[in-house]
Amino acid sequence: AQSVTQLGSHVSVSEGALVLLRCNYSSSVPPYLFWYVQYPNQGLQLLLKYTSAATLVKGINGFEAEFKKSETSFHLTKPSAHMSDAAEYFCAVSDPGTGGFKTIFGAGTRLFVKA
Amino acid sequence: NAGVTQTPKFRVLKTGQSMTLLCAQDMNHEYMYWYRQDPGMGLRLIHYSVGEGTTAKGEVPDGYNVSRLKKQNFLLGLESAAPSQTSVYFCASSYGVRGDTQYFGPGTRLTVL
Repeated sequence: AQSVTQLGSHVSVSEGALVLLRCNYSSSVPPYLFWYVQYPNQGLQLLLKYTSAATLVKGINGFEAEFKKSETSFHLTKPSAHMSDAAEYFCAVSDPGTGGFKTIFGAGTRLFVKA
Repeated sequence: NAGVTQTPKFRVLKTGQSMTLLCAQDMNHEYMYWYRQDPGMGLRLIHYSVGEGTTAKGEVPDGYNVSRLKKQNFLLGLESAAPSQTSVYFCASSYGVRGDTQYFGPGTRLTVL
């Protein structure tokens, strides 16, 4: 069965510092992987996704994530945090073997950015 | 394009009352989904639809019903609301399924007293 684990429900960084949000997944086949961002009182929007092409995926707003099969990880990074990055981030996995109908979301990591 | 819209934005119900949440999308997407979001639990799939006239159960379907009479609309019904259904409900849609992006509505915050 698929599952997603996001390490750390809250992460706090200073403005300009590296952002690292961790995601590990479990899947019996190479999955599709996603990072979504949710700003306060809004729905989720896609940051980036991995669908078996390049293992380093670049997304919007300077974020990127690397698919590491050996570590079953898909960590999200950004070299320099900005105040506007404060939001909740969700890692998600979709198993192509099930037809992809069911996307499993992690519990989320709330990012705080300090001035 | 409005994208995905949800009605209403907020609602307070008493235990046992019923209500319907409406989701509409203008992107001609085949697939639509209803999720609930609870603190510390991420999003959990309630029901989904792979096309007009079809629906299927997701991870947490009990206490909910859905209908997709028109391609652009996906309705979520609560027949007899319970406090455990207090949550934020999100509708989403996608063009396809395999690796496709899901587009989310702004959510409906429901409180059941």
